[in-house]
Amino acid sequence: KAGVTQTPRYLIKTRGQQVTLSCSPISGHRSVSWYQQTPGQGLQFLFEYFSETQRNKGNFPGRFSGRQFSNSRSEMNVSTLELGDSALYLCASSLAGRGLGYNEQFFGPGTRLTVL
Amino acid sequence: QKEVEQNSGPLSVPEGAIASLNCTYSDRGSQSFFWYRQYSGKSPELIMFIYSNGDKEDGRFTAQLNKASQYVSLLIRDSQPSDSATYLCAVNLRPSGGSYIPTFGRGTSLIVHP
Repeated sequence: KAGVTQTPRYLIKTRGQQVTLSCSPISGHRSVSWYQQTPGQGLQFLFEYFSETQRNKGNFPGRFSGRQFSNSRSEMNVSTLELGDSALYLCASSLAGRGLGYNEQFFGPGTRLTVL
Repeated sequence: QKEVEQNSGPLSVPEGAIASLNCTYSDRGSQSFFWYRQYSGKSPELIMFIYSNGDKEDGRFTAQLNKASQYVSLLIRDSQPSDSATYLCAVNLRPSGGSYIPTFGRGTSLIVHP
């Protein structure tokens, strides 16, 4: 079974631009979560989508948004990029189960975003 | 206040020894606990999960959970140089009374030297 895939793998943008990242979950997994990983803050939860609906949300500004399609693929968008948005963005998929906090998650390779 | 605490390390152990990694958490209601391994430049990889008090063994790995003391640990027996990585503890927490979501510690760097 294929793992979680993310595109693009690397991205360089300038301040003020916007960016869209894509994630395809493991076949059969209906929950997709997004995380931001930085050396200073570690791995931080952005949001989770399940059945095309945002089910959980972390403590990030509204510039960070996402969506999920009927095939469970998900996109994350960051508008008005700031230097501090430079990070590794990870997508994780899991079976729906009892809820995000109870399920094992499987991570994709990540998208390395650099904001200049 | 950090909700999931891990010693950043590095924890250095000789090859063949037992590596012990610890994690404490703040929410007594937490019910799901996960250990991930992350090699430098790679994404986290799930090693084990544990839901009940006690020990859970999987090959060279043993997860130990003590809900009363609010800690979870990971033991790696017969440590190998290939085990050198950062180990992330994740606990389902309920920020602001909302849904439980996995919250990660900062990770412990493990170095296994030959």
